[in-house]
Amino acid sequence: QVQLVESGGGVVQLGRSLRLSCEVSGFSVSSYAMHWVRQAPGKGLEWVAVISDNGNDKYYGDSVKGRFAISRDNSKNTLYLQMNSLRGEDTAVYYCARSTYSDYLLGYWGQGTLVTVSS
Amino acid sequence: DIQMTQSPSTLSASVGDRVTVTCRASQSVSQWLAWYQQRAGRPPKLLIYKTSSLQSGVPSRFSGSGSGTEFTLTISSLQPDDFATYYCQRYNGYSPGGTFGQGTKVEIK
Repeated sequence: QVQLVESGGGVVQLGRSLRLSCEVSGFSVSSYAMHWVRQAPGKGLEWVAVISDNGNDKYYGDSVKGRFAISRDNSKNTLYLQMNSLRGEDTAVYYCARSTYSDYLLGYWGQGTLVTVSS
Repeated sequence: DIQMTQSPSTLSASVGDRVTVTCRASQSVSQWLAWYQQRAGRPPKLLIYKTSSLQSGVPSRFSGSGSGTEFTLTISSLQPDDFATYYCQRYNGYSPGGTFGQGTKVEIK
């Protein structure tokens, strides 16, 4: 059974860093393109980042480029999102998601972890 | 970057109604358009991919159509479980990214 469980969210001060984790089971994180998608309170979905199945390609949304980094640990079957220089507009629920049928089609989602950036 | 625009932003309907949501792309996304449903407090759920293919387990009252830049999601007979927010997403193309539309909330009339 495919499962994705995010962790690492919480309250963090403006300008600080935070690392999110997404532990997966039921599949290998190295076999699929894996994504982070976020949702600010009361707002819509925003695609954040992707790491390809071979791990060689990483792409980011414009609003996080240069500040966030996606990575994974195949031995721990875990996806990460390192978030630096956090801003108020980064406050959101962060979901990890697994691709299905196509690299950017998101067939499986975690429950999300809330990140609150405070001043 | 390709922009995705949904209409309406909110839709009020009753159980049994036929409901249509529209998604427009700023440039052609061919057939690479998906729809997701998100109930309150829950993660999104994939409903439809490649414009009109129903994800496994999704009821047949959901359907999708369109091509190029204009797409529609139709619910043929709205059920209580269908009151939710729906998002379109382009998921292939000439640039990386999986851009979402801003969402359409289907609420009880």
